[in-house]
Amino acid sequence: DSGVTQTPKHLITATGQRVTLRCSPRSGDLSVYWYQQSLDQGLQFLIQYYNGEERAKGNILERFSAQQFPDLHSELNLSSLELGDSALYFCASSVATLPNEQYFGPGTRLTVT
Amino acid sequence: QKEVEQDPGPLSVPEGAIVSLNCTYSNSAFQYFMWYRQYSRKGPELLMYTYSSGNKEDGRFTAQVDKSSKYISLFIRDSQPSDSATYLCAMSAYGNNRLAFGKGNQVVVIP
Repeated sequence: DSGVTQTPKHLITATGQRVTLRCSPRSGDLSVYWYQQSLDQGLQFLIQYYNGEERAKGNILERFSAQQFPDLHSELNLSSLELGDSALYFCASSVATLPNEQYFGPGTRLTVT
Repeated sequence: QKEVEQDPGPLSVPEGAIVSLNCTYSNSAFQYFMWYRQYSRKGPELLMYTYSSGNKEDGRFTAQVDKSSKYISLFIRDSQPSDSATYLCAMSAYGNNRLAFGKGNQVVVIP
């Protein structure tokens, strides 16, 4: 158990809908990272927050947004969902801003029908 | 050319064999190198972390980095069925807050 929690574990929704994925980092970790894992693309970095502020952006679509709250939990919002958004979404956390030694949560499996 | 290349395998070995995995990369700015292990339907678990070139050993696991060749390796000695998983290499550059991952290498250790 990495200490990173994610909810929900599974999510099934229809195209065009909007969903919110939630992540709680390990105790003491200030950085939160979001990743998308699909069979064809592998694990892709989406976005990073550090202590409530956005620090880095990766291959995140405009339909997706995230935020980190004062209690350090983070939410990833996915809107206008398409079939291609079906994937595993992972949250990771680390103590500092550097990306090494990230600890991953169990993931949320999103299925868009 | 992808930033990080990793042959997806799968790789089947008998119990007790040495497992050899590797990744190549194109970004010479990468300085942090990691190996993650991912069991089916679980999140990636940090296995090894190396800064810059050299070797690092942790129990049955050895990570090697050759920056001149842009090549990293992971060796698993005395492999066990519990080592059956997907192994992902990851790397990052100093000051760049993202990990670039390989696609992962599925390993099956046969009892």
